[in-house]
Amino acid sequence: DGGITQSPKYLFRKEGQNVTLSCEQNLNHDAMYWYRQDPGQGLRLIYYSQIVNDFQKGDIAEGYSVSREKKESFPLTVTSAQKNPTAFYLCASTNRAEDTQYFGPGTRLTVL
Amino acid sequence: EDQVTQSPEALRLQEGESSSLNCSYTVSGLRGLFWYRQDPGKGPEFLFTLYSAGEEKEKERLKATLTKKESFLHITAPKPEDSATYLCAVQAAAAGNKLTFGGGTRVLVKP
Repeated sequence: DGGITQSPKYLFRKEGQNVTLSCEQNLNHDAMYWYRQDPGQGLRLIYYSQIVNDFQKGDIAEGYSVSREKKESFPLTVTSAQKNPTAFYLCASTNRAEDTQYFGPGTRLTVL
Repeated sequence: EDQVTQSPEALRLQEGESSSLNCSYTVSGLRGLFWYRQDPGKGPEFLFTLYSAGEEKEKERLKATLTKKESFLHITAPKPEDSATYLCAVQAAAAGNKLTFGGGTRVLVKP
């Protein structure tokens, strides 16, 4: 069953802690993306990766870090430097043959 | 800078009451315009891609159209299950696969 999985679905973090959100795809897609969504707002791009071992900053990369060691995996770390990390985080992927991005189910991060 | 503005922010419809959602955009060379549907607490679900002015695409009760400055998502005779947030995004020719999203339109269809 092909698709994009994100885990966990809900994540709670204390202030000052780093947390890592998982994103895995078995669609053999080349590119992967991380977005942040705040209540009542659209999606904003955090980081993206077109190929393994390469990634670029999006519009709101400060306080976040990523890695792309495997084609199917693109984890996002929310560091303590991110001032307002409470949000809904969405991972997406696409292949070079088409433009459409397909999204995972999301992770809701809450900072306590 | 690419910009996408969606209106209205929220729309309440009676079942069967057709309406349209607007997506206005400014982009330096449009590569594609995308419509997604998002249910509460879930990831966006792809609906349509439009590439050139005059293009139209349909899926069940939804029809998307594109001009050089805006796109419309028409909902014909909506049902309660059409209740969702509809997101519009543009992809610029020079931006690779990067998408710029609008704020979305929350649609509530009452029986």
